[in-house]
Amino acid sequence: GAVVSQHPSWVICKSGTSVKIECRSLDFQATTMFWYRQFPKQSLMLMATSNEGSKATYEQGVEKDKFLINHASLTLSTLTVTSAHPEDSSFYICSAAIDSYEQYFGPGTRLTVT
Amino acid sequence: KQEVTQIPAALSVPEGENLVLNCSFTDSAIYNLQWFRQDPGKGLTSLLLIQSSQREQTSGRLNASLDKSSGRSTLYIAASQPGDSATYLCAVRPGSGGGADGLTFGKGTHLIIQP
Repeated sequence: GAVVSQHPSWVICKSGTSVKIECRSLDFQATTMFWYRQFPKQSLMLMATSNEGSKATYEQGVEKDKFLINHASLTLSTLTVTSAHPEDSSFYICSAAIDSYEQYFGPGTRLTVT
Repeated sequence: KQEVTQIPAALSVPEGENLVLNCSFTDSAIYNLQWFRQDPGKGLTSLLLIQSSQREQTSGRLNASLDKSSGRSTLYIAASQPGDSATYLCAVRPGSGGGADGLTFGKGTHLIIQP
């Protein structure tokens, strides 16, 4: 149980285009979903926290207009990287929480912007 | 701001050895602490989760301890195997939000077990 999926697993896009990443909790309803980013040889950094039906809370330094988060249901959150640039190339991982006990992580999405 | 530090950054040992990975955090007001494993280019596998009120958790050859007051945790791996080779991440969840906040991760320990 407690499986989280992400789609796509990897994506290559051209600079200036937008990319949408989906995060789904497959067998549970998540009260909260989180988005993290990991640059090469760096640790995961929290980008934003989202709750179903409300606006996401972004961490300091993360541009909310660039990284659009939509949490339309208790099983789906999406992250859209708008007007992507090469410096946005990274590994994006989502997690979903049933309650405040544990977060369950997706397999990640590798984004490469050319 | 919470900071998580992991020592060593990298470790290479022969198969069969017991080893200890260290994690320290600056703010002791945590909700829980979690150890993860990450294989190259992959997502995270949760290994052990310790609630703030707990002192340790065990799963198979893994044992994690938590000393919240001193801001430290250790992950003990017994009888290491080549399949244990991976990056091990320590993460803490802040206690201020009732456990509803995101995790703060360390940079990880890159572990290589030599056959």
